[in-house]
Amino acid sequence: SQQGEEDPQALSIQEGENATMNCSYKTSINNLQWYRQNSGRGLVHLILIRSNEREKHSGRLRVTLDTSKKSSSLLITASRAADTASYFCAFYTGANSKLTFGKGITLSVRP
Amino acid sequence: SAVISQKPSRDICQRGTSLTIQCQVDSQVTMMFWYRQQPGQSLTLIATANQGSEATYESGFVIDKFPISRPNLTFSTLTVSNMSPEDSSIYLCSVNSGQHLYGYTFGSGTRLTVV
Repeated sequence: SQQGEEDPQALSIQEGENATMNCSYKTSINNLQWYRQNSGRGLVHLILIRSNEREKHSGRLRVTLDTSKKSSSLLITASRAADTASYFCAFYTGANSKLTFGKGITLSVRP
Repeated sequence: SAVISQKPSRDICQRGTSLTIQCQVDSQVTMMFWYRQQPGQSLTLIATANQGSEATYESGFVIDKFPISRPNLTFSTLTVSNMSPEDSSIYLCSVNSGQHLYGYTFGSGTRLTVV
């Protein structure tokens, strides 16, 4: 399967703490993306990192990519209760423009 | 980025019936994607819909069960046919208007329950 694998599957932290989520994949990629989903609704794109990039920042988000290990991590700093959601990594290989999703991580941020 | 209007947002349907889900995009896009998300699971691509041609279905999904229409570059429908409880899922449409340099945009999803 080309599906990505995230870990942990579930994460519970206190507001203000940092949350780190990891994603691994099996094939060569063009880019890797992270999405957030609130309460089973539509997905919101958070950040995209290209295969030739190693680190990217967007606000409180920091994503890293290690193509040699076929892994990525998403760090959310100074978490808020509103960050409570499911987070998915998704990778794009360039083949038929398809995006393949990982299994997802459930993040709970306690106020 | 594109904005997608997806409806209905949710529905409860009787087994054996069909439901058509609509997605309207505020800009022209070449490809639209339809996903299924079963309860507690990740997203699985059902098919890719191109305007003017038959949709391309992923392994495990067939046109008779999930017929798709793509009459123009801003609109698509997915029908879930002859529904059974196993079809209870969230269905999402998605587009990429940034030539793969930016993230994909998703509709708000249709939560389908089949009873």
